[in-house]
Amino acid sequence: ETGVTQSPTHLIKTRGQQVTLRCSSQSGHNTVSWYQQALGQGPQFIFQYYREEENGRGNFPPRFSGLQFPNYSSELNVNALELDDSALYLCASSRDGHSGNTIYFGEGSWLTVV
Amino acid sequence: DQQVKQNSPSLSVQEGRISILNCDYTNSMFDYFLWYKKYPAEGPTFLISISSIKDKNEDGRFTVFLNKSAKHLSLHIVPSQPGDSAVYFCAACMNRDDKIIFGKGTRLHILP
Repeated sequence: ETGVTQSPTHLIKTRGQQVTLRCSSQSGHNTVSWYQQALGQGPQFIFQYYREEENGRGNFPPRFSGLQFPNYSSELNVNALELDDSALYLCASSRDGHSGNTIYFGEGSWLTVV
Repeated sequence: DQQVKQNSPSLSVQEGRISILNCDYTNSMFDYFLWYKKYPAEGPTFLISISSIKDKNEDGRFTVFLNKSAKHLSLHIVPSQPGDSAVYFCAACMNRDDKIIFGKGTRLHILP
């Protein structure tokens, strides 16, 4: 139990639609990172939010966007869904922009695009 | 381009024996290396890490070895226990606060 909660746990969307995934960070954590884990692959860094600002971004197109709220919870939005967006989306929280061994992952949101 | 490579998708080891999981990396700028463990329906959990200035780090049954010249690291688990059955991800970053680059993972099966 990491204290990081994600919703929804599973969802199915149609190609071209938009999706919003949500994450509540562990108490006391002000940094949220999002990762995409496709089947048979390791997690890939999408972006990080620290104190409501984007603090680093991976190699993902602009249709992947995010938000962090004053309570440090976060949303991941994906527009114009493509079949290849089908994956497990992991949220992780930490303190003060840190990563590495101080990052705690949620259980993930499984997205299937049909 | 995979910067962190785990070439064994799966590994089976007898309970009580040593499990050795291997990982190679290509980016010499990586400064910090980590191993994560993942059970089904759970997120990855941090297991052990090593800084590039060290060649070994030990934590109980888990030891990570780093060979910088070969750009290779390995995780040793001894003795292996049934609860060790999981997917193990090797990961690296430029520094402790940088994004984490993960390998594809190795599924470890501990046999009774």
